[in-house]
Amino acid sequence: DADVTQTPRNRITKTGKRIMLECSQTKGHDRMYWYRQDPGLGLRLIYYSFDVKDINKGEISDGYSVSRQAQAKFSLSLESAIPNQTALYFCATSDLGQWGETQYFGPGTRLLVL
Amino acid sequence: KQEVTQIPAALSVPEGENLVLNCSFTDSAIYNLQWFRQDPGKGLTSLLLIQSSQREQTSGRLNASLDKSSGRSTLYIAASQPGDSATYLCAVPFMGNEKLTFGTGTRLTIIP
Repeated sequence: DADVTQTPRNRITKTGKRIMLECSQTKGHDRMYWYRQDPGLGLRLIYYSFDVKDINKGEISDGYSVSRQAQAKFSLSLESAIPNQTALYFCATSDLGQWGETQYFGPGTRLLVL
Repeated sequence: KQEVTQIPAALSVPEGENLVLNCSFTDSAIYNLQWFRQDPGKGLTSLLLIQSSQREQTSGRLNASLDKSSGRSTLYIAASQPGDSATYLCAVPFMGNEKLTFGTGTRLTIIP
């Protein structure tokens, strides 16, 4: 079984709709992240959480919100989707090991906003 | 603001050749640097993490080097195989070493 799972894997929605992307992990990590990936722009951080009571904005948080329901669950919401939020979204967890922080990524959610 | 650049954006080489992928960053005050692999339609897999105090890190046919003073890292792949075809991304921490800035990646194709 995958350590970091994302649902749904693909989603098509219309402008103005509210949608939620979910992430679950079985790695027991406290730190979780949401990124979006766009062609030519790389991965950009949307929100991150270092524990259940900690939520922080990343580079591009406008238009997004998150909820850390438990250590294992971190959800990303688009309150009113717009076409430029069409992207590939990744959830990640991290473990601060001996040599620094290693991040583990989910398989991604491909979102299309029409 | 940290900026991470990977050139070229795409690279094709015949199977069996050795190759080098490049990563450059603007702020040399980094804690570590990571190389990731991304297969089409899938997430990222961490390949190597180099501490700032290290100059090299090796895993199998992969060797990553880090030169903080020049703001550069290279990923060397020996004896390339078709299964190495993927997009390779480098990433460095920013804002107190807690979050990563990613390069835009190099899409590698190994020609059988």
